[in-house]
Formats: sequence, C-alpha cells, structure tokens
Amino acid sequence: DAGVIQSPRHEVTEMGQEVTLRCKPISGHNSLFWYRQTMMRGLELLIYFNNNVPIDDSGMPEDRFSAKMPNASFSTLKIQPSEPRDSAVYFCASSRDHPYGYTFGSGTRLTVV
Amino acid sequence: QKEVEQNSGPLSVPEGAIASLNCTYSDRGSQSFFWYRQYSGKSPELIMSIYSNGDKEDGRFTAQLNKASQYVSLLIRDSQPSDSATYLCAVISNAGKSTFGDGTTLTVKP
Repeated sequence: DAGVIQSPRHEVTEMGQEVTLRCKPISGHNSLFWYRQTMMRGLELLIYFNNNVPIDDSGMPEDRFSAKMPNASFSTLKIQPSEPRDSAVYFCASSRDHPYGYTFGSGTRLTVV
Repeated sequence: QKEVEQNSGPLSVPEGAIASLNCTYSDRGSQSFFWYRQYSGKSPELIMSIYSNGDKEDGRFTAQLNKASQYVSLLIRDSQPSDSATYLCAVISNAGKSTFGDGTTLTVKP
C-alpha cells in the first residue's frame, strides 16, 4: 500500500496565479479530507468527501478555494487566484468510514509570493 | 472555548520517564478519539484510537478516556528521544466532524 499520495510536494507561485493540489487516497478508503496547517491556526479542515460526494465544505475559507473528487482515486484542491496568506502546508487524508482514524499524505508546502 | 484543547507545552521529560499529554473536548456527544504524532516537517501519523471509557494500551503508549469529564490523555512510558514530536489530539463528534487540538510539543532529553 503506497499510502495517501499528494503532489506536488512543494509549490512556489506568484500571487494571482492558479494553484492545483492533487491527492490519491488509499484504495478502499471512502472518506477523503483536505486540511491546511499553519503555525498560527494549526490544522484546519477545509472540506471532506464521502464516497466522492462533498459532505462538509464549511472550512473552505472563501470562493477562491474549490475542491473536486471526480472518482474514488483522485481529488484536487484548487486556489484561484492565490494570495500570500494562502501559504501553508496542505494535507490530504483518507479513511474508511467513521469512526476510523485518518492516514495523511506527505503534504504540499505552498508558498505564494 | 475551543472544541478541543491541549496543554500548549512544550513538555520536556528525561529519557526513561513517563510523558503525560492531556486533552479536553467540548462536545459531550463525541464518540471517537485519536492521538496523532507529528515530527517536525512531516505529516501527522495515527498512533492511538480509543472509543470507550478506560485505558487502552499499545506497547509503551496508553490512551485514557473519561467521557464524563470529557477528557482524553496519552501516556508514554519509558520515553525515548525518538518520541520527541508534536502530539495532536483529535475528536470526532456524533455528526462525524473531526476536530484537532493545537498539539503539545514533547521533548525527551537524553
């Protein structure tokens, strides 16, 4: 099992550019989560999907953020346009149905300059 | 009041000692509780889960849950320098929402 796979590992982009983060969950896991981690705010849940359907997107900070899960093996988180305050580590995690714990990917470190 | 609160730390213990990490939560209906370990620059890793009152032991780790007091703890016996990390408490509510605490940074000194 390769675990949760995220790409890219690092992304540096200029303010105003579009950024797309990618995630492949563990096969057989039907819940997928996108988190953002910063020193100031800790680990924040942005959105989670169950069986490819968005269940709770209340953590998405604003309309500049969008997420999709077109199938059980792939999800994207898009920021358009990006801003310096979006700089953070973005984690994708997956799990079997509640109440199991999560397996996190290695994260994408995003820097917006 | 935060939904999940942890001792801010940092916590420092000598090698071989017991490290005690604490967590309280506000949603009385919460049913699932987890401890994650996060090394600097790495992603969180699940180390313990607990669902019912009492103790759950796994090697040097013991998770304790008291739902009446809305309290979860993690004990690490015979602490090793390799245990130095940030420990995150996570709680899943009845509604399925998962909330993480801010974490407690543990340093084990040789």
